[in-house]
Amino acid sequence: DAKTTQPPSMDCAEGRAANLPCNHSTISGNEYVYWYRQIHSQGPQYIIHGLKNNETNEMASLIITEDRKSSTLILPHATLRDTAVYYCIVRVVGAGNMLTFGGGTRLMVKP
Amino acid sequence: KAGVTQTPRYLIKTRGQQVTLSCSPISGHRSVSWYQQTPGQGLQFLFEYFSETQRNKGNFPGRFSGRQFSNSRSEMNVSTLELGDSALYLCASSLAAAASSYNSPLHFGNGTRLTVT
Repeated sequence: DAKTTQPPSMDCAEGRAANLPCNHSTISGNEYVYWYRQIHSQGPQYIIHGLKNNETNEMASLIITEDRKSSTLILPHATLRDTAVYYCIVRVVGAGNMLTFGGGTRLMVKP
Repeated sequence: KAGVTQTPRYLIKTRGQQVTLSCSPISGHRSVSWYQQTPGQGLQFLFEYFSETQRNKGNFPGRFSGRQFSNSRSEMNVSTLELGDSALYLCASSLAAAASSYNSPLHFGNGTRLTVT
């Protein structure tokens, strides 16, 4: 699986949009971009995934660049409960559930 | 719909003992994966099961084993525990088979925190 690079930490003001970047410059054509987050003492929570089109659900939006070498997860109105470690993962279609987690980005939402 | 359930939530064992952890996947999910999370190594894949068959295995010693039952519930076992086995053990379930072309998200439980003394 392609390696991802994320900033180790970010801050965001409560109520503002949180934009979390991820670099996956070696991504292959059959690899999806997945985002998970992990709140302290809980298991990772699935947020969103996409292949090449932008995606939106009730939790977040995922913007993937045209060359697919990077993506941004957007939390439109961050709340204190969004404070967590966010993981960007690339995953090959049909290759099973062996996900490779990097260090993630620790997002701190501040009042 | 209930999420992935892992039991027990916390466990304390002594070096040399063995331990069995249990995972009940989301109803209808047939694929179960196990991960180990430690502060030093982060989240690492242990193994994956589908229809009672192990599909993938991570780079862990043979002391770590697992199985899946016909109702998709899964257990993992660690024998001859070492201090370094202290970790959060996470189970995740998904709809699709390992070799499926359908890319379905994994949904994680809240884990079993194992402490080896």
